[in-house]
Amino acid sequence: DSGVTQTPKHLITATGQRVTLRCSPRSGDLSVYWYQQSLDQGLQFLIQYYNGEERAKGNILERFSAQQFPDLHSELNLSSLELGDSALYFCASSPWDSANTGELFFGEGSRLTVL
Amino acid sequence: AQKITQTQPGMFVQEKEAVTLDCTYDTSDQSYGLFWYKQPSSGEMIFLIYQGSYDEQNATEGRYSLNFQKARKSTNLVISASQLGDSAMYFCAMREYDNQFYFGTGTSLTVIP
Repeated sequence: DSGVTQTPKHLITATGQRVTLRCSPRSGDLSVYWYQQSLDQGLQFLIQYYNGEERAKGNILERFSAQQFPDLHSELNLSSLELGDSALYFCASSPWDSANTGELFFGEGSRLTVL
Repeated sequence: AQKITQTQPGMFVQEKEAVTLDCTYDTSDQSYGLFWYKQPSSGEMIFLIYQGSYDEQNATEGRYSLNFQKARKSTNLVISASQLGDSAMYFCAMREYDNQFYFGTGTSLTVIP
């Protein structure tokens, strides 16, 4: 158990709909990252937050948005869903200045299926 | 340019044999970290091993070890005594100084009985 919690684990919805994926980072981790992994693909970086502020943005579509709340949990909002948005969405957390290795701790992912 | 390159989409290894998964990286930072993650068919991402850019010794973690060649910017993962449970996708990743993480496209490893 990495300590990162993602909900829901599975989600099936229709094209055009909107969904929200939720992530609770490890206790004490201030950084949250979102990644998208489509079928048989690598991890595509979407966005990173640190202590409530957006820190870096990757290949995130305009239909997607995210935020990190004061309690450090984060939400990824996906709207006007298309078939191609079907993927495994990972949340990961990391301490900003790790005394150790500073690796990313991944949640189990939220598997989104758009029909 | 790609930050992380894994040139082996798929690899096969006989059970109990050793296998090397290749990874090269590109960075201008002096301080960075290199990671390997395993993703079994169940989907979760499992951290395996870490190498810091200033570490002079190759990292080892059980059956996992890294062949870190800083001048060549490569960090190859060696899995010794392969087991059937090692069949999975393996991702190489790099953390740069600003805490940005970059992942390779992964190598699918199949262990043959």
